[in-house]
Amino acid sequence: DTGVSQDPRHKITKRGQNVTFRCDPISEHNRLYWYRQTLGQGPEFLTYFQNEAQLEKSRLLSDRFSAERPKGSFSTLEIQRTEQGDSAMYLCASSPNRDSTIYEQYFGPGTRLTVT
Amino acid sequence: AQKITQTQPGMFVQEKEAVTLDCTYDTSDQSYGLFWYKQPSSGEMIFLIYQGSYDEQNATEGRYSLNFQKARKSANLVISASQLGDSAMYFCAMRERKEGNKLVFGAGTILRVKS
Repeated sequence: DTGVSQDPRHKITKRGQNVTFRCDPISEHNRLYWYRQTLGQGPEFLTYFQNEAQLEKSRLLSDRFSAERPKGSFSTLEIQRTEQGDSAMYLCASSPNRDSTIYEQYFGPGTRLTVT
Repeated sequence: AQKITQTQPGMFVQEKEAVTLDCTYDTSDQSYGLFWYKQPSSGEMIFLIYQGSYDEQNATEGRYSLNFQKARKSANLVISASQLGDSAMYFCAMRERKEGNKLVFGAGTILRVKS
């Protein structure tokens, strides 16, 4: 299967701990996105990479959040000093490198974070 | 103002019947795309259908069609011949050219198909 993959699928952590999630996009896709989805809501945009460059960041991405895509392939999302409000599903998506509204984003299965 | 509004928190439909899920949007951009995604209980977002702002024909993909009414800023999803496997959360989303690459999602509609 060559879809978007995310690891881990589930993460339970204590408040104050740091967590890191990984996303592997579809191999020929240069664009990579992170979203956060809380219970009963639609996904909210966090950040976007084109190759290794982080080109957009949402105001939702506080100083405790950092995302990287060092070689333009996989990406990591780190949350430092987790808070209970960080509990959510973290979704990664990728799309082809074409500047058009037409291209859909392909989503991974998500990482469900629970902060206790 | 909400960019994407889905006014139906939940819908029921009888198996084999058609159902319409509503979506209205708000944008001043001339170039935008509208998307529908399905999210089963497993959590993965599955792309269903796309409609571009300049497309004159309504989009269709198998049992899915999009009723695009540009003047009313609505992009309703029609699912024909509903199946039990269609039970899921459905999200309408928009990408505006001027806003870059992000998708903005509505709050979703839970669809339950009854046998």
